[in-house]
Amino acid sequence: NAGVMQNPRHLVRRRGQEARLRCSPMKGHSHVYWYRQLPEEGLKFMVYLQKENIIDESGMPKERFSAEFPKEGPSILRIQQVVRGDSAAYFCASSPLPGGQGNEQFFGPGTRLTVL
Amino acid sequence: KQEVTQIPAALSVPEGENLVLNCSFTDSAIYNLQWFRQDPGKGLTSLLLIQSSQREQTSGRLNASLDKSSGRSTLYIAASQPGDSATYLCAINTDKLIFGTGTRLQVFP
Repeated sequence: NAGVMQNPRHLVRRRGQEARLRCSPMKGHSHVYWYRQLPEEGLKFMVYLQKENIIDESGMPKERFSAEFPKEGPSILRIQQVVRGDSAAYFCASSPLPGGQGNEQFFGPGTRLTVL
Repeated sequence: KQEVTQIPAALSVPEGENLVLNCSFTDSAIYNLQWFRQDPGKGLTSLLLIQSSQREQTSGRLNASLDKSSGRSTLYIAASQPGDSATYLCAINTDKLIFGTGTRLQVFP
C-alpha cells in the first residue's frame, strides 16, 4: 500500500506565477489535510477536505490560496500570483476516517516551494 | 486557543545518554497526541501516537507518556545514538493537528 504521494517534490516559481501542488492520499483514505511549514517555523494547519468538500479552511490565507479534492484524482493546493513569503514546505496528510474522531494522519514527503 | 510548547528548543548530548523531551498544551480536550521526527529538508516520520485514554506508548528505545489533565507529554529516548539527531515535533489532534515548534536534537559520538 503506497503512502501519501506529493508532487512535485520541489517547485520553483517566479513572483506572480501560479503554483499547483498535488497530493494523492493513501488508498482508501478520503480525508486530506494540508499543512505549511515556513522557514524556521512550525507546521501550521491550512485546510481539511473530504472528497468534493472543504470541511475546514480556517488556516488558509484569505487571498490567492485555494484547495480542492475532486471525486477523481489528487487533491490540489493552488497558489495564485505567488510572492516570496509563500516559499515554504507544504505537507499533505490523509486519514481513512474523519480527523474529528482523532484518527491518525499519515504524511507525505512534502513539496518545497521556492519563489524567486 | 490551543497552544503547544516544546522544551527545550535545542539539545546537544553525547552518545549513550538517556533523554527527555517535553511537550505541553493548554487545552486538555484532545483526541490524541503524536510525536514525529523530522530530518533537515525532509518530511515527517511518525514515531508514536497516544490516544487520549492512554498513558503511554513504547516503540524500541522510545517511550512517550501522556498526562492529559495537566496538559503534558514526554518523549523518552534511551541510549541515544548519533542517528537520533533530528528535530522532534509533538502534535495534538483536536480534529486537526496543532504542532509544537520542535526540539532540535544533536547526538555527538
